[in-house]
Amino acid sequence: DAKTTQPPSMDCAEGRAANLPCNHSTISGNEYVYWYRQIHSQGPQYIIHGLKNNETNEMASLIITEDRKSSTLILPHATLRDTAVYYCIVRVINYGQNFVFGPGTRLSVLP
Amino acid sequence: DAGVTQSPTHLIKTRGQHVTLRCSPISGHKSVSWYQQVLGQGPQFIFQYYEKEERGRGNFPDRFSARQFPNYSSELNVNALLLGDSALYLCASSWTGNTEAFFGQGTRLTVV
Repeated sequence: DAKTTQPPSMDCAEGRAANLPCNHSTISGNEYVYWYRQIHSQGPQYIIHGLKNNETNEMASLIITEDRKSSTLILPHATLRDTAVYYCIVRVINYGQNFVFGPGTRLSVLP
Repeated sequence: DAGVTQSPTHLIKTRGQHVTLRCSPISGHKSVSWYQQVLGQGPQFIFQYYEKEERGRGNFPDRFSARQFPNYSSELNVNALLLGDSALYLCASSWTGNTEAFFGQGTRLTVV
């Protein structure tokens, strides 16, 4: 079972920031937080991951709370192409440790 | 640079048949993982291979098998197909087995 909890769906206006929350209250000290997204009928796309520091790349920012029990993925200027299912996953970086996908959050970016 | 390549993109099989799905990882990646995604659910882990050795296996029956070749490409084999095997089969590659994974576009298998 997935070790994360996400809202099933969210809406965001085009051009505004999309803030996607994720609860991972049972996260272990050696587990990383990963975010992937899946646009309809395509393979999941890697977005970002982090351990305890906030991370930023060209796609998004990842904000992890100090106690690491929750995190937020931020898409700074959402576009219609960001409409997708977003998955938050916690994972130990070790051989044989797979990604356990939950149902994710379906983000709809509205014009 | 080419991403993860999977073939075929779609196929239809009859119950009881056998199917082989193929995956070519990103150049330089030595680990390949396979996932099954049924409609409306997130992907479920099937196998992980690194340097031609199985490093992880999900909760799937023995009808599912896989292997990785010296060039790091991989095959997923499913025997005695059931209707419930209809799904999107995803392949993911990574530099090693413990870094972020990059997924292909998947093979859509329909069993009739």
